[in-house]
Amino acid sequence: QKEVEQDPGPLSVPEGAIVSLNCTYSNSAFQYFMWYRQYSRKGPELLMYTYSSGNKEDGRFTAQVDKSSKYISLFIRDSQPSDSATYLCAMNSGGSNYKLTFGKGTLLTVNP
Amino acid sequence: KAGVTQTPRYLIKTRGQQVTLSCSPISGHRSVSWYQQTPGQGLQFLFEYFSETQRNKGNFPGRFSGRQFSNSRSEMNVSTLELGDSALYLCASASSGGYTFGSGTRLTVV
Repeated sequence: QKEVEQDPGPLSVPEGAIVSLNCTYSNSAFQYFMWYRQYSRKGPELLMYTYSSGNKEDGRFTAQVDKSSKYISLFIRDSQPSDSATYLCAMNSGGSNYKLTFGKGTLLTVNP
Repeated sequence: KAGVTQTPRYLIKTRGQQVTLSCSPISGHRSVSWYQQTPGQGLQFLFEYFSETQRNKGNFPGRFSGRQFSNSRSEMNVSTLELGDSALYLCASASSGGYTFGSGTRLTVV
């Protein structure tokens, strides 16, 4: 079983839709959770950074972490064509562990 | 402020050669990590440096090595290149606000 599982998609939605992206993980030591957006031929760009369980909102983006279920989500409201990219979840346990473990990424296309 | 700078952006090398990639972190960031990204394996951790010391190493062969200089700039080296080393190599610098990635170096081994 991979440490982090992420549905690769591809996911295609109409402009204005609410998008839900998810990851599950198996390592209960993970405490820090991140979502990155990666455009083609670019490096990943940090969207959300959360610690432990709970919700965090930033503009059209909401990140949710449920440590009891080992499940994290990213919601995008009012999706725009410019949101078309690959979305990667990443996590680590903190402390003396400086390694990020990534999901494989979900390719999202928002159609005008 | 300037982001993470990686050079070169693109490289084509022949099997058996060696290559050195460079990364300049965000000013003030002392932690630098390296990742390999391929379509099949996704992003995989190579190693992490802080104040010139390697603190973590991923599960890669010894052909992959790195170092960090006193100004926090980092280099990674791959010796005896194999076709399977073709990938996007990403560098990230870290602060309490998370990990910021550069645009990467795309290495093609022919």
